[in-house]
Amino acid sequence: DIQMTQSPSTLSASVGDRVTITCRASQSINSWLAWYQQKPGKAPKFLIYKASSLESGVPSRFSGSESGTEFTLTISSLQPDDFATYYCQQYNSYPYTFGQGTKLEIK
Amino acid sequence: EVQLLESGGDLVQPGGSLRLSCAASGFTFNNYAMGWVRQVPGRGLEWVSSVSGSGTSTYYADSVKGRFTISRDNSKNTLYLQMSSLRAEDTAIYYCAKRGLPVPREGFDIWGQGTMVTVSS
Repeated sequence: DIQMTQSPSTLSASVGDRVTITCRASQSINSWLAWYQQKPGKAPKFLIYKASSLESGVPSRFSGSESGTEFTLTISSLQPDDFATYYCQQYNSYPYTFGQGTKLEIK
Repeated sequence: EVQLLESGGDLVQPGGSLRLSCAASGFTFNNYAMGWVRQVPGRGLEWVSSVSGSGTSTYYADSVKGRFTISRDNSKNTLYLQMSSLRAEDTAIYYCAKRGLPVPREGFDIWGQGTMVTVSS
């Protein structure tokens, strides 16, 4: 099974900050990576697919990138609505696996 | 509007069975693979199972293989998860999710609101 190691587990930041969340795959996943945002009591929201493609309707301050088996989600200028938990997920092969999540908190 | 609505979550005793349903609307159901993802409240997401659009191909996490069965009725636009031999560690919110299309947009692009399954005596 492909393991997804996400870091940090918690991130404290302020409105306007640029933040980066990292996800590392235990083997090649051919860019088949998605990012999700989840707020308390809500279902996850699809943000990014194929490592760097922005889902329709998602603000352009969100971006994804990759370098080998390391993937990053960047929020260029944090907005109040962005404080949430973020998950990566590989869909290269079954069993699909998620990262452990990164909780983005207000500093 | 594309929508997924889960139902069937309940309190069940260890060793018991339960069937979850997910009613889909707003899209051509049989064109899309579907899946179930669960989440222990306050914890992370765990993929449980997926099924192809036709229903002929199914996939399971090792943690549920042999105990859970995913299926779909395309005539009723409904996805199911039959759960048996339930354990305390199956306690979670179960989300139904639609696979995105076209390739490579294949993450889960639409999610239901979730249904709670509690396994306890």
